[in-house]
Amino acid sequence: AQTVTQSQPEMSVQEAETVTLSCTYDTSESDYYLFWYKQPPSRQMILVIRQEAYKQQNATENRFSVNFQKAAKSFSLKISDSQLGDAAMYFCAFLNVQGAQKLVFGQGTRLTINP
Amino acid sequence: DGGITQSPKYLFRKEGQNVTLSCEQNLNHDAMYWYRQDPGQGLRLIYYSQIVNDFQKGDIAEGYSVSREKKESFPLTVTSAQKNPTAFYLCASSSGPSANYGYTFGSGTRLTVV
Repeated sequence: AQTVTQSQPEMSVQEAETVTLSCTYDTSESDYYLFWYKQPPSRQMILVIRQEAYKQQNATENRFSVNFQKAAKSFSLKISDSQLGDAAMYFCAFLNVQGAQKLVFGQGTRLTINP
Repeated sequence: DGGITQSPKYLFRKEGQNVTLSCEQNLNHDAMYWYRQDPGQGLRLIYYSQIVNDFQKGDIAEGYSVSREKKESFPLTVTSAQKNPTAFYLCASSSGPSANYGYTFGSGTRLTVV
């Protein structure tokens, strides 16, 4: 079974600075997808970014980018020019291509933005 | 607008009662999922259904039941057998291959035992 680990329960960053959230996962599969979801205080889950495992190029969405290290099974999220609206819980998630497509989530990292 | 509607937003249950959480989607998605969220534990999968009239247990199915009689609906019943039901419950859906683009989530139901 796949597992996802987020080792940072809480992180904080100054507004306009850059922060990196860590995520590692364990799988024996070679074809899968990885995601970062944001959960603001409203508790609505919002997809931030996705990465296809067979693509070596790291995904980027505006101020959000990932560092995908397939061999190391690492998938970190970098937020540049942090804004107050980035304050939220961030969840890393894994989706296997084969079989039942069930998202497996990490424990989450609470990100605080200091003005 | 297409989306997932969960109701109610807040639900209070007395000890020994069964309660049902509603989840409806108008996205024409085949697959639907129920997750439970507790502080410090992320989201854990309770049940999922990939097609009408079929569903499978997730990682923490004990004390819960579901049905999938219609494509649009996937209600979750929290039974009296669930010893610690106080949590935030999220419903999600995906459409086969588009699950690779992630799930669509509802806004959640907060269940509290009183």
